[in-house]
Amino acid sequence: DVKVTQSSRYLVKRTGEKVFLECVQDMDHENMFWYRQDPGLGLRLIYFSYDVKMKEKGDIPEGYSVSREKKERFSLILESASTNQTSMYLCASSSPGQGDHEQYFGPGTRLTVT
Amino acid sequence: EDKVVQSPLSLVVHEGDTVTLNCSYEVTNFRSLLWYKQEKKAPTFLFMLTSSGIEKKSGRLSSILDKKELFSILNITATQTGDSAVYLCAGYSNSGYALNFGKGTSLLVTP
Repeated sequence: DVKVTQSSRYLVKRTGEKVFLECVQDMDHENMFWYRQDPGLGLRLIYFSYDVKMKEKGDIPEGYSVSREKKERFSLILESASTNQTSMYLCASSSPGQGDHEQYFGPGTRLTVT
Repeated sequence: EDKVVQSPLSLVVHEGDTVTLNCSYEVTNFRSLLWYKQEKKAPTFLFMLTSSGIEKKSGRLSSILDKKELFSILNITATQTGDSAVYLCAGYSNSGYALNFGKGTSLLVTP
């Protein structure tokens, strides 16, 4: 059974704080993704990584950075959190290849920035 | 720009009804289209469609893809309250790595 875990289910941070969201998958997947989900906007891709130390911008990378030092772990970093980054953050992973495999999602982290 | 559009945005039906959810897509270098179900947690995978005209089926759920018309439908027969969820459609983008999601169809099945 594929398992994608995220470090926190709920997180409350203050404006300007640095925030780390961690994602770990146990299926040796090459590809990992960070999305945010907002009402009326659906899921939008922030960053993805297709290999260790590799990263690619998604549709909305501004205000975010990522780190992939190990294959199983993909971190999303908010350098200076702002209220418009209040959202549900979903991590996903998939087998290597392009367009061939489903993505498996973690349970999500609901981040509130006050 | 790649685009995935789902309709309707929301739907309320009675238990036992049959529903059809729609997904139209414009995705460069189309590879595959995926359907997910999302309750109050992470999306769970339902189907991946790559070939036109071939129906995928799982219990009361089925889905088919029309590559010519750039369209997919998800059918749920004999709906149950447990089918209440947001159903997401997504197409792989040109890079082939990331999914472009539609905004989802929120389905509520009432007893």
